[in-house]
Amino acid sequence: GAVVSQHPSRVICKSGTSVKIECRSLDFQATTMFWYRQFPKQSLMLMATSNEGSKATYEQGVEKDKFLINHASLTLSTLTVTSAHPEDSSFYICSASSHGTSGSGEQFFGPGTRLTVL
Amino acid sequence: ILNVEQSPQSLHVQEGDSTNFTCSFPSSNFYALHWYRWETAKNPEALFVMTLNGDEKKKGRISATLNTKEGYSYLYIKGSQPEDSATYLCAPYLYGGSQGNLIFGKGTKLSVKP
Repeated sequence: GAVVSQHPSRVICKSGTSVKIECRSLDFQATTMFWYRQFPKQSLMLMATSNEGSKATYEQGVEKDKFLINHASLTLSTLTVTSAHPEDSSFYICSASSHGTSGSGEQFFGPGTRLTVL
Repeated sequence: ILNVEQSPQSLHVQEGDSTNFTCSFPSSNFYALHWYRWETAKNPEALFVMTLNGDEKKKGRISATLNTKEGYSYLYIKGSQPEDSATYLCAPYLYGGSQGNLIFGKGTKLSVKP
């Protein structure tokens, strides 16, 4: 089946530092990757959608200069949280699809990254 | 704000019990409904993608139905086993603006006691 990995699984950093999270599709080519964020007791919220080789599309309220997304290849997308602050502490999870943004296409999720900003 | 409600929030059953839970979603701009199973410390796993009103899908002991006109889906688990313990997420794919997105509910957390 389709496997997506995410690294690191957990990161603790100081306020003001930048953190990079990698999302890889291991056994398929992901034309589209999605980044979600989940705060405690809340649902997964889509942050942005990225297509390989083009700029990411950010959801309303998500700062594109703060959450930098790069999708340079069909198997790798990165999310960089720049100048992280405690309010950015959250669970970040990626998913990948080989069906673009088709509504009937399955998204295959990574295991997520728990970010804690001190 | 598009609201996806899942009920109950949590559920505790004994091994062998059958159970079901509900996902309610806006029926307008509906395209598809996704169900995911998320075990603790693992990747969320896709269970079903459903598009047609009246659709019913089955995977082993798990099945799901879909009513797009009234905006709900039921997930059924027959003869629950401890390995079914997980959070079950539903996510309708709705069209809004220039593209559609999956809108996730908060999930139903199922615990199956041996």
